[in-house]
Amino acid sequence: DSGVTQTPKHLITATGQRVTLRCSPRSGDLSVYWYQQSLDQGLQFLIQYYNGEERAKGNILERFSAQQFPDLHSELNLSSLELGDSALYFCASSQLTGGRNSPLHFGNGTRLTVT
Amino acid sequence: DQQVKQNSPSLSVQEGRISILNCDYTNSMFDYFLWYKKYPAEGPTFLISISSIKDKNEDGRFTVFLNKSAKHLSLHIVPSQPGDSAVYFCAASDPNAGKSTFGDGTTLTVKP
Repeated sequence: DSGVTQTPKHLITATGQRVTLRCSPRSGDLSVYWYQQSLDQGLQFLIQYYNGEERAKGNILERFSAQQFPDLHSELNLSSLELGDSALYFCASSQLTGGRNSPLHFGNGTRLTVT
Repeated sequence: DQQVKQNSPSLSVQEGRISILNCDYTNSMFDYFLWYKKYPAEGPTFLISISSIKDKNEDGRFTVFLNKSAKHLSLHIVPSQPGDSAVYFCAASDPNAGKSTFGDGTTLTVKP
């Protein structure tokens, strides 16, 4: 058990809809990262927050947004969903920022299916 | 431009033999490298790491080698066990970018 909790585990929704994915980081970790894994592909970095502030941004679409709350949990909002947004979305946390000398601890992911 | 590449999508080895997983990178700013293991329906879990100031790091059956001049790292598993069957991701960290960049993964199958 990594200590990172992601909800829900599965999400099925229709094109054009909006969903919110939730992540609770490991106790004591200040950094939260979001990654997307499409079918049989690698982990694509979306965005990172450190202690409530955005620290790094990857290939995150404008339709997607995220935030980290004062209690350090994070939410990833996906709107105007398209079929291509179907993927596994992983949240990870670490003690430090950047993953340097501080491995990421991943949740078990949210599988999003857009129909 | 994929900065971290794992050119072998899959690898199959016999139990007890050595497994060698390879990873190449292009960004010379990467200074910390990690390997993660992923089982189905689970998130990746950290396995072993190496700093760019070292060329080898060992942890039990797992050893990571780094060749900075070739921008290449490898993970050796000796001896391989059926429980090692999983997807292995190579990742690299750039201290300025604040994130880890992952390869596409290599699926290792260890046959009994």
